[in-house]
Amino acid sequence: GAVVSQHPSWVICKSGTSVKIECRSLDFQATTMFWYRQFPKQSLMLMATSNEGSKATYEQGVEKDKFLINHASLTLSTLTVTSAHPEDSSFYICSAVRTAYNEKLFFGSGTQLSVL
Amino acid sequence: KNQVEQSPQSLIILEGKNCTLQCNYTVSPFSNLRWYKQDTGRGPVSLTIMTFSENTKSNGRYTATLDADTKQSSLHITASQLSDSASYICVVVSTDSWGKLQFGAGTQVVVTP
Repeated sequence: GAVVSQHPSWVICKSGTSVKIECRSLDFQATTMFWYRQFPKQSLMLMATSNEGSKATYEQGVEKDKFLINHASLTLSTLTVTSAHPEDSSFYICSAVRTAYNEKLFFGSGTQLSVL
Repeated sequence: KNQVEQSPQSLIILEGKNCTLQCNYTVSPFSNLRWYKQDTGRGPVSLTIMTFSENTKSNGRYTATLDADTKQSSLHITASQLSDSASYICVVVSTDSWGKLQFGAGTQVVVTP
């Protein structure tokens, strides 16, 4: 079956540093990927929609300069949390739409970010 | 207000017993409804996907139902196992904005020996 790989699965960093999270579709091409944020015991919250070859579309309230998204190929999207602060600590998840199979949406395994 | 409401918020069941989770939604226009299982610290895994015309769909011990008229869905877990302990999330997709999923808050299920 289709697999979406997300890396790293967890990361601890110092306040003020930047962290990059990768989301790869391993056996299919994904023109669209989504990035979510999840706090403990809460729903996933959509942060942005990432389209290959174009700028990401951010949800209201999400700082685009804070959360940089790059979707340079049909199999890779990256989320960079710039100048991370403790309030950015959260669980980040990506999902990918399988091209030509619009109903198929696959989630990555998530990245737990802890900012000290 | 969340357009997808799940109940109960959490439940504890004995291994081997059955349970039913509920999902009510107001998302419109409706495309499909999905149930996901999310283990702690992991991404969601799809259990079922149902469109408007489907009333029931099974995946092993998981059976989902959908009443598109009343905008209600349920997920029934049969003969629960310890590995069923997880958060179960109801997700509704609108035809207006495919991909922008409307997530329920989830039901936390704990299966005890």
